[in-house]
Amino acid sequence: SQKIEQNSEALNIQEGKTATLTCNYTNYSPAYLQWYRQDPGRGPVFLLLIRENEKEKRKERLKVTFDTTLKQSLFHITASQPADSATYLCALDKGHNQGGKLIFGQGTELSVKP
Amino acid sequence: DVKVTQSSRYLVKRTGEKVFLECVQDMDHENMFWYRQDPGLGLRLIYFSYDVKMKEKGDIPEGYSVSREKKERFSLILESASTNQTSMYLCASSRPGGNTIYFGEGSWLTVV
Repeated sequence: SQKIEQNSEALNIQEGKTATLTCNYTNYSPAYLQWYRQDPGRGPVFLLLIRENEKEKRKERLKVTFDTTLKQSLFHITASQPADSATYLCALDKGHNQGGKLIFGQGTELSVKP
Repeated sequence: DVKVTQSSRYLVKRTGEKVFLECVQDMDHENMFWYRQDPGLGLRLIYFSYDVKMKEKGDIPEGYSVSREKKERFSLILESASTNQTSMYLCASSRPGGNTIYFGEGSWLTVV
C-alpha cells in the first residue's frame, strides 16, 4: 500500500543550526512533492513544491531535495530561528491524473531553542 | 490574499446529531477538499470536489457526506455524529491540475 513516513520524533536544534527533516515514501510515483508548515491549532501553510524532474529547490533559508530513486525528500532550514518552530508536513500527489489529491505524512515537530 | 474560511472554529455536538461544517473560498478554485487531522494519523482525505455538484470519495468517507451547490462553498455533513468523529477538520482548495493547496484554519469538533 502507499505510505509516507516522516521522522515521528520531535527534532530539537539550537538557533543558527541547520534543521534537516526527512520524508520517505513507498509504492508511489508522485509527479511532485510539497512541504507545508503547521502551527498549533492552525491549518497547514504551503512552503515549497518540487517536481519529479527537479533535484533541488530553494526559497530563502529553505531547501528541498527530491530523490525519486531513493523515494526520499529532505527539507532543510538553514540559520534556524525560534520562529521556525512548528510542525512540518510533507505531501505527495497520488500520481498522474489524480487531480491534485495529496497524501500527507504525519509531520515532524521542530523546536528551535535560542 | 487567498482565503479559505471555515465558519466554525469550535463545535461541541451530541452523539446522533446532524452536523454541518461550512467552508468558503474566495479564489475561484475549482477543487475543494475536506480532510480530518488526528494525532498520529496525520491528514486524511474525506471527500473532494472538482466542480459544482461534483464530488468524489476520499480515503475515509464513511459517516460523511458533502454538498457543493456553489463553486465557492463546500460543506461537510455528518449525518449522525459519533464520538469517533471527534477531530480537527480542515477544508482546502486548489486550482485544477494539482499544485498548492490552500487550507482554512480548521474546525475543532467534539462529539459527546
